[in-house]
Amino acid sequence: KQEVTQIPAALSVPEGENLVLNCSFTDSAIYNLQWFRQDPGKGLTSLLLIQSSQREQTSGRLNASLDKSSGRSTLYIAASQPGDSATYLCAVRQGGSEKLVFGKGTKLTVNP
Amino acid sequence: DVKVTQSSRYLVKRTGEKVFLECVQDMDHENMFWYRQDPGLGLRLIYFSYDVKMKEKGDIPEGYSVSREKKERFSLILESASTNQTSMYLCASSSLGVRYTFGSGTRLTVV
Repeated sequence: KQEVTQIPAALSVPEGENLVLNCSFTDSAIYNLQWFRQDPGKGLTSLLLIQSSQREQTSGRLNASLDKSSGRSTLYIAASQPGDSATYLCAVRQGGSEKLVFGKGTKLTVNP
Repeated sequence: DVKVTQSSRYLVKRTGEKVFLECVQDMDHENMFWYRQDPGLGLRLIYFSYDVKMKEKGDIPEGYSVSREKKERFSLILESASTNQTSMYLCASSSLGVRYTFGSGTRLTVV
């Protein structure tokens, strides 16, 4: 059974810092991996989708990488801002399934 | 802008009531999902549907049922609400190779 782990559970950084959020998964037979952002009391917003054949995806100050063989993904946030404060979740989709398996998230606080 | 719309943001129901949570998507996606989210437990899949009238149990289907009579609408039904079903409920839709899109969530409190 696929398990997704995100470490750390919470992270607090000063504004302007570059930071990395980590995601690991136990079964490397994935179809794709998504990173989501969730603001308190709200739904999830998809940030980046990496297909299993890709190594990375970029959107603005965000860069996500995928190393399928080692079961790892990282989300890199450049020049963090207070508006980046949120919970970030990663989720993997297995080959042959439409279901996503989620990690429990990393709660990020960027202090002004 | 493409959307997944959940009919209620906040809902308070009494124990034993039958509760309907509605979700509508405008993207013509084949797949729709219901998750619940609880502190410390993360998101857990309740049910999903890959086509009209088709459904499949997720990880925690007990106490819930679903209905998908039209492609754009997926309803979650709590047959007899209980206090342990107090949670945030999130609906999502997807199509092959496309990102999941989530609704804003329904915060259900059962008293």
